[in-house]
Amino acid sequence: NAGVTQTPKFQVLKTGQSMTLQCAQDMNHNSMYWYRQDPGMGLRLIYYSASEGTTDKGEVPNGYNVSRLNKREFSLRLESAAPSQTSVYFCASSEYGGADNTEAFFGQGTRLTVV
Amino acid sequence: GENVEQHPSTLSVQEGDSAVIKCTYSDSASNYFPWYKQELGKRPQLIIDIRSNVGEKKDQRIAVTLNKTAKHFSLHITETQPEDSAVYFCAASRSGAGSYQLTFGKGTKLSVIP
Repeated sequence: NAGVTQTPKFQVLKTGQSMTLQCAQDMNHNSMYWYRQDPGMGLRLIYYSASEGTTDKGEVPNGYNVSRLNKREFSLRLESAAPSQTSVYFCASSEYGGADNTEAFFGQGTRLTVV
Repeated sequence: GENVEQHPSTLSVQEGDSAVIKCTYSDSASNYFPWYKQELGKRPQLIIDIRSNVGEKKDQRIAVTLNKTAKHFSLHITETQPEDSAVYFCAASRSGAGSYQLTFGKGTKLSVIP
């Protein structure tokens, strides 16, 4: 049981390049999320997927796209990377509903630098 | 949308002392309030959470209190130890559209001095 797995762990991009961050969870959770973490800013929600087949914008969606490929996988794509997207990206998953099933489990993070 | 304010941004305590971190939220419909601990270079991990129908919850040295009227909640750590040193985040969310959407505070860096 690996929990939430993200790839890659580190990435350096040049301005204008594109890339996709991959995320997979093996906990049979319905909901998945992408956050970015910047110094002094906490974690900010980029996009989320309440269930397979649905995606919605979070607080900071500009410059990103997502795909909920199936129940396990939720990817984040940067079409044209900008230096402002330098950050640590976390994927997370949770199960909606029930008194004990709302904890969000995070992946290990992807440290992205755009030069 | 929801806005979560967290204070202080940094906190230093002597080992064995207590630490208190406070958060306020803006959306009166928020009903779930978790606290996450993040060690340097690691992922955030849940340490305790509380729901809007409960005023206080304890787990060993950690406790969380919630005041719905004032829209604030606090994390209390007693008998602090060096391994408690980390960044702590509060969060708030409301249920809807089949998903809990967490809004985080900006974090508190806790340093426990041996």
